[in-house]
Amino acid sequence: EAQVTQNPRYLITVTGKKLTVTCSQNMNHEYMSWYRQDPGLGLRQIYYSMNVEVTDKGDVPEGYKVSRKEKRNFPLILESPSPNQTSLYFCASSLRTGVRELFFGEGSRLTVL
Amino acid sequence: AQTVTQSQPEMSVQEAETVTLSCTYDTSENNYYLFWYKQPPSRQMILVIRQEAYKQQNATENRFSVNFQKAAKSFSLKISDSQLGDTAMYFCAFMKHGGNEKLTFGTGTRLTIIP
Repeated sequence: EAQVTQNPRYLITVTGKKLTVTCSQNMNHEYMSWYRQDPGLGLRQIYYSMNVEVTDKGDVPEGYKVSRKEKRNFPLILESPSPNQTSLYFCASSLRTGVRELFFGEGSRLTVL
Repeated sequence: AQTVTQSQPEMSVQEAETVTLSCTYDTSENNYYLFWYKQPPSRQMILVIRQEAYKQQNATENRFSVNFQKAAKSFSLKISDSQLGDTAMYFCAFMKHGGNEKLTFGTGTRLTIIP
């Protein structure tokens, strides 16, 4: 089954404790991206990757890091989480051709205390 | 920069009725894509319908259709014969053609279908 898989789905952590949210897709997509969803703000792009070893900032990259060492994986790293990073996070991927559909993961609910 | 505006934070409609969700956007681009995504309580983002700006014909997917007015920069979603499973948050989104595949989202409309 074609899918984007994120882990963990839920996480409660404390300020300053490094964490990684993993994202993996099995569709051989070149493009991957991270979004955060906050009430009243919709979804906003954090980082994106056009291909392996190619990453760039989105609209709200502060406090986040990413890496793209393999085509299928695109982890989101919070080196020193703060309460304002409490949010719902989505990973997405696409082929970058044709119908331009982004496939989303199921979301990761992160709470930073 | 592109912006997407959804002016209806919440809507409700009786089951089997028709409902229209509004979306306007601002862009200087001529080629782009527009999307409606549905987010049910499960939080999954589900693509409902897409429209390519160069196509004049409005997209249709079963009970879902759009009214795309390029000059007015308007992209409304019509849901016919609404069903309880249509209860969800609906997001309108814009993607520039040839860009970095970024989706610019509106703030969403929470739709409730009343039995």
